[in-house]
Amino acid sequence: DSGVTQTPKHLITATGQRVTLRCSPRSGDLSVYWYQQSLDQGLQFLIQYYNGEERAKGNILERFSAQQFPDLHSELNLSSLELGDSALYFCASSPGGGQADTQYFGPGTRLTVL
Amino acid sequence: AQTVTQSQPEMSVQEAETVTLSCTYDTSESDYYLFWYKQPPSRQMILVIRQEAYKQQNATENRFSVNFQKAAKSFSLKISDSQLGDAAMYFCAYRNFYSGAGSYQLTFGKGTKLSVIP
Repeated sequence: DSGVTQTPKHLITATGQRVTLRCSPRSGDLSVYWYQQSLDQGLQFLIQYYNGEERAKGNILERFSAQQFPDLHSELNLSSLELGDSALYFCASSPGGGQADTQYFGPGTRLTVL
Repeated sequence: AQTVTQSQPEMSVQEAETVTLSCTYDTSESDYYLFWYKQPPSRQMILVIRQEAYKQQNATENRFSVNFQKAAKSFSLKISDSQLGDAAMYFCAYRNFYSGAGSYQLTFGKGTKLSVIP
C-alpha cells in the first residue's frame, strides 16, 4: 500500500458525460501528479499540482481539468467524454516537488466510456 | 523532449533463473533520474529501483539490480532468482534532475511484459 488513495476504483459512463476522479496523497505530500494509461498511448503525464498550484501540464486535453484543494486532495474532471478516454487514471504523490523526490502511485481509477 | 524506449514487449524466464530487461533513453541533460516500476495484474504501480545519473555505482534492491551505461544511454534491469510474483509489466521511466518550475513528471517507456514459468 503506497498510502495514496483514489476513488472510485471503477467508473462506467456514457459518451458525452462528465466524471470526477478523486485522489488523496500520502500524508505530508504536497505534490500530486495525474497520469493516464491507455492501450495505445501507454502511460502519459497529464498535470501536476504543488500545494494547490498548478506546476506543469502534459498531454492533457482541454476537456480535462484538475485542481488541488487546501487539504491537498486533488480532483481530475473529465467532460464531454469520448470512447477514447477509456483508460486507467493514476494519481501519484511526492513530498515536496523537490528534485530528490520519488513519486508513489495510487491504485488507479479505471474509466470505461460506453 | 526526453524519450524512453523498451524494445522488448514481452519476455519470459524460468523460475529461479535470471532475466534482464532493456531500456534506452534519449536526453540532452547530464543529470537525471531513472526508475523501474512494476505493474502486476492488480494494476498498482510499484517502484522497484531508482538510479541517479550522477552516481556511477549501479543501484541494487535485493534481487533487483540495474546496469546503468550513461554514455550509451542504457538502463537495464536484472532480476535474479526469478519468482512467480515477479510476473508483471515493467516500465522504465525518466525524470529530470532539476526543474526551475518545480515539475518532475515521469516519462515512461511502453513496458515489457514479464512471464515467469514455473
